[in-house]
Amino acid sequence: DARVTQTPRHKVTEMGQEVTMRCQPILGHNTVFWYRQTMMQGLELLAYFRNRAPLDDSGMPKDRFSAEMPDATLATLKIQPSEPRDSAVYFCASGPTEADTQYFGPGTRLTVL
Amino acid sequence: QKEVEQNSGPLSVPEGAIASLNCTYSDRGSQSFFWYRQYSGKSPELIMFIYSNGDKEDGRFTAQLNKASQYVSLLIRDSQPSDSATYLCAVNGGGSNYKLTFGKGTLLTVNP
Repeated sequence: DARVTQTPRHKVTEMGQEVTMRCQPILGHNTVFWYRQTMMQGLELLAYFRNRAPLDDSGMPKDRFSAEMPDATLATLKIQPSEPRDSAVYFCASGPTEADTQYFGPGTRLTVL
Repeated sequence: QKEVEQNSGPLSVPEGAIASLNCTYSDRGSQSFFWYRQYSGKSPELIMFIYSNGDKEDGRFTAQLNKASQYVSLLIRDSQPSDSATYLCAVNGGGSNYKLTFGKGTLLTVNP
């Protein structure tokens, strides 16, 4: 049963600390998406990759956020320095192509104190 | 700014009734439309997708698309308490814009 995996599932940190979230997309999927979900804003796209190349990161605050795909089995989202307003659930999703269904991982619940 | 609008609810229906969830979108060039279900504390999971005008049925679920009115809906027949969740409408842009834009979701409660 192929699934997207994310680590950690929960993260509590203090303001100013670096946070790294990891995602393993479904094998064979060539698109990877990072989303952030809050009660106020709902689900927002932060960045997405096709064949490991970043295609769109316009939804991401670039002064503190960065997203990479070091290899086909790993995508990372980093926040440095973290701020309380970054508290949210961060989802990774993957899909065979951009136009296809996206399959979501379980999410990382981030709390920045 | 492409927008996807949903009534936040909560929408409350009795068990066995039909639940109707609605969604409108602003980008007339949108090509693909998705309905995701999200249980509290869980990740979104796909229920259905629809690309063409008209109805698409899958078990108790029917998606309806009207591109002229920029409207997509999800009907759930014989609603069950296990259908209680937030339903997210997502729209994929046309052309080379493949980003999914999500609505904020409608909370559905099915009462036994």
